[in-house]
Amino acid sequence: GESVGLHLPTLSVQEGDNSIINCAYSNSASDYFIWYKQESGKGPQFIIDIRSNMDKRQGQRVTVLLNKTVKHLSLQIAATQPGDSAVYFCAENWGANSKLTFGKGITLSVRP
Amino acid sequence: SAVISQKPSRDICQRGTSLTIQCQVDSQVTMMFWYRQQPGQSLTLIATANQGSEATYESGFVIDKFPISRPNLTFSTLTVSNMSPEDSSIYLCSAGTTGTGELFFGEGSRLTVL
Repeated sequence: GESVGLHLPTLSVQEGDNSIINCAYSNSASDYFIWYKQESGKGPQFIIDIRSNMDKRQGQRVTVLLNKTVKHLSLQIAATQPGDSAVYFCAENWGANSKLTFGKGITLSVRP
Repeated sequence: SAVISQKPSRDICQRGTSLTIQCQVDSQVTMMFWYRQQPGQSLTLIATANQGSEATYESGFVIDKFPISRPNLTFSTLTVSNMSPEDSSIYLCSAGTTGTGELFFGEGSRLTVL
């Protein structure tokens, strides 16, 4: 069936550098995308979302980019901090039922 | 946003027993879901908890194994029945409002089956 997947299982970055986490999705009908952050021992925490009628959305230190042509989603974190170390998941949704399909997840490790 | 409380937060259970996990949301939401997250893996949707009616299960999950209740808009339970070690996992409750898309998650219930 259709699925959401990530390109890399782990990402290590230097503190202060920018991080880019990528995600590929395969369901062309998906119209809503969310990035979640999951710290060890906790539930997923909403970071930022984007709808399919947009190609970019910015939050505080984070930016999500959506390229519908190639079905690609990315999360950019500016000036990465140790507190950003976590597993990041992209998720997609279609229709109005809020049911999300999650990607595999990528671990972000920030080096001091 | 919604604050979601789950209990128990963790438990160790014996093979063949059943455990019920409770989920309480601090505000009225239209949608509630139960996910499973096996160690080191992503989240897999078990079912949609429907208020006052039978839950809607995803492929690979059945009501006899994972009975779900949702008596009102803010509360749901998931039971893991006749447990085996393969059921050791984190079970996550999530909730949201139709049309907004955004889902909030509880902290999860970590289940270990011996």
